[in-house]
Amino acid sequence: GQNIDQPTEMTATEGAIVQINCTYQTSGFNGLFWYQQHAGEAPTFLSYNVLDGLEEKGRFSSFLSRSKGYSYLLLKELQMKDSASYLCAVVDSNYQLIWGAGTKLIIKP
Amino acid sequence: DTGVSQDPRHKITKRGQNVTFRCDPISEHNRLYWYRQTLGQGPEFLTYFQNEAQLEKSRLLSDRFSAERPKGSFSTLEIQHTEQGDSAMYLCASSLVSQGGEYNEQFFGPGTRLTVL
Repeated sequence: GQNIDQPTEMTATEGAIVQINCTYQTSGFNGLFWYQQHAGEAPTFLSYNVLDGLEEKGRFSSFLSRSKGYSYLLLKELQMKDSASYLCAVVDSNYQLIWGAGTKLIIKP
Repeated sequence: DTGVSQDPRHKITKRGQNVTFRCDPISEHNRLYWYRQTLGQGPEFLTYFQNEAQLEKSRLLSDRFSAERPKGSFSTLEIQHTEQGDSAMYLCASSLVSQGGEYNEQFFGPGTRLTVL
């Protein structure tokens, strides 16, 4: 079967750094997405990795290791508005998105 | 605002009634997806269209659910004989997939929150 694993919940302090991990087992791989979802709202795109390595975009970075079936999302200089769920999703061999359950990130002052 | 719109934003209905939701994707996007999401879970795939063709439907999806995209633009999702378990957020997303198969991100609409009493 296809499986995406992420921690259910994480807590971090405003101004700090947090790393959200995602491991996957899917039938084929055509890229990995990270989305942010605030409570009651739709997911919004954060990043896309298809090759191994680190992609940096402002305060957010995303890393991929295809051989390990592993990715992480790194958030720096955390702000209260970063409190949200972070969803990892993998594009499988049929070009379908397989979604993780999401990691709820709680930011404390 | 991602450019994907959904209507209505909220729907409350009684068990056994039929409901229909509409999604207007970004105009140049050729793919349109329907998802269902419950609290604390990621989006659950329901079905998707490539232009007007419905290419895949989740095997977990009841026959009470049907979707159309008649002209390859907007889409509708209908749920017949609603049940309390159908209560969820219904999300629509669109994307542009090139002929070369290059995959681009999905843009989500704001969702329709369905409550079945």
